[in-house]
Amino acid sequence: NAGVTQTPKFQVLKTGQSMTLQCAQDMNHNSMYWYRQDPGMGLRLIYYSASEGTTDKGEVPNGYNVSRLNKREFSLRLESAAPSQTSVYFCASSEYPETSGYNEQFFGPGTRLTVL
Amino acid sequence: KNEVEQSPQNLTAQEGEFITINCSYSVGISALHWLQQHPGGGIVSLFMLSSGKKKHGRLIATINIQEKHSSLHITASHPRDSAVYICAARGAVDKLIFGTGTRLQVFP
Repeated sequence: NAGVTQTPKFQVLKTGQSMTLQCAQDMNHNSMYWYRQDPGMGLRLIYYSASEGTTDKGEVPNGYNVSRLNKREFSLRLESAAPSQTSVYFCASSEYPETSGYNEQFFGPGTRLTVL
Repeated sequence: KNEVEQSPQNLTAQEGEFITINCSYSVGISALHWLQQHPGGGIVSLFMLSSGKKKHGRLIATINIQEKHSSLHITASHPRDSAVYICAARGAVDKLIFGTGTRLQVFP
């Protein structure tokens, strides 16, 4: 099992460009998440999907859109990138609502994005 | 004031020392998670606990619900334990609020 995969690993954009970050999981998890991690701050939730076809805003959704294409894939799109979106982006998935009583979030390796 | 606070922010230790990292939270929680972020950036879950104490190898996590406080202990620390340790509070639904992390360096 690959777990949670993300592409690309690194990306440099110019202000105003658009791009999509891809995320896929092979653990048959219901819930998927997009986070950003900035220096000196904890991980912050951008968007969340509890199941295929549903999405919900997190703490910092402005400037982003998401698509839960199917149970496996959850993409994050930046329509018009801004320097404030320079960050490391993590995708995660979990079984929630869990059947085991233990809800671990599994993280992808991250995408380091720089917006110039 | 952040809803989840960790201390210390940075910690250095000699190999073999006993390590304690603290986490305090101000929100109601259904569970408290401890995660480890490796120097290369990867994040893995260590523990999820809602009461009492859990142990895995040299790692021990405790939580005091009344005091809204959790601790992560590492016994007999080793240089490979060098990482950022993150606590996260889980609310009623499956959303985590993360602390800013504690950077641990263990020297031989």
